[in-house]
Amino acid sequence: QLQLQESGPGLVKPSETLSLTCTVSGGSISNSNSYWGWIRQSPGKGLEWIGIIYYSGTTYYNPSLKSRVAISVDTSQNQFSLKLSSVTAADTAVYFCARGLVSAFGYWGLGTLVTVSS
Amino acid sequence: EIVLSQSPGTLSLSPGDSATLSCRASQSVSSSYLAWYQQKPGQAPRLLIYSTSTRATGIPDRFSGSGSGTDFTLTISRLEAEDFAVYYCQQYGSSRWTFGQGTKVE
Repeated sequence: QLQLQESGPGLVKPSETLSLTCTVSGGSISNSNSYWGWIRQSPGKGLEWIGIIYYSGTTYYNPSLKSRVAISVDTSQNQFSLKLSSVTAADTAVYFCARGLVSAFGYWGLGTLVTVSS
Repeated sequence: EIVLSQSPGTLSLSPGDSATLSCRASQSVSSSYLAWYQQKPGQAPRLLIYSTSTRATGIPDRFSGSGSGTDFTLTISRLEAEDFAVYYCQQYGSSRWTFGQGTKVE
């Protein structure tokens, strides 16, 4: 059974860079049929797609976040990572990693809350 | 960017009722690229339906999806206690994914 687990700091200061890693177990991140994504959810709000990466390294980002986002993949560790720079309080959210197949996200991590505060 | 608008915002129903949730897109969406998720408090979303009408693995047949173009529907027949949750539609197009704002079934 595929499992995804987010990890990283739960508190980030304004203007700094948020960094999260998603560790994939029970399957290979190098599956050519899959892509790997980050989605966030601000407290009490809906879901916002951040971006995705294929194992080849090809990335696609939400245009509204593109200037601040970078997603990378480490196939040797079966992990992929998110970096979001110049964070503000508006970036406080639960961040989910997920696996995509065709056009939907079928497997999700449990999510990790990241708070932006000094 | 395609915007998805879900209605109603909240649906108040009882166990045994049927629920009809709407998702309207600002532009036409390929039927292959429309999905529905269920989310309960404190949990990650769970994929229910993809490609408009295909149930994900393990999803009971009381969940069904339909639609085309700009109008899509998730129907839940015979609501069970575990079905009370928030439901999101999601579309893919031009290497972009977007979600609707959600419908709460209470």
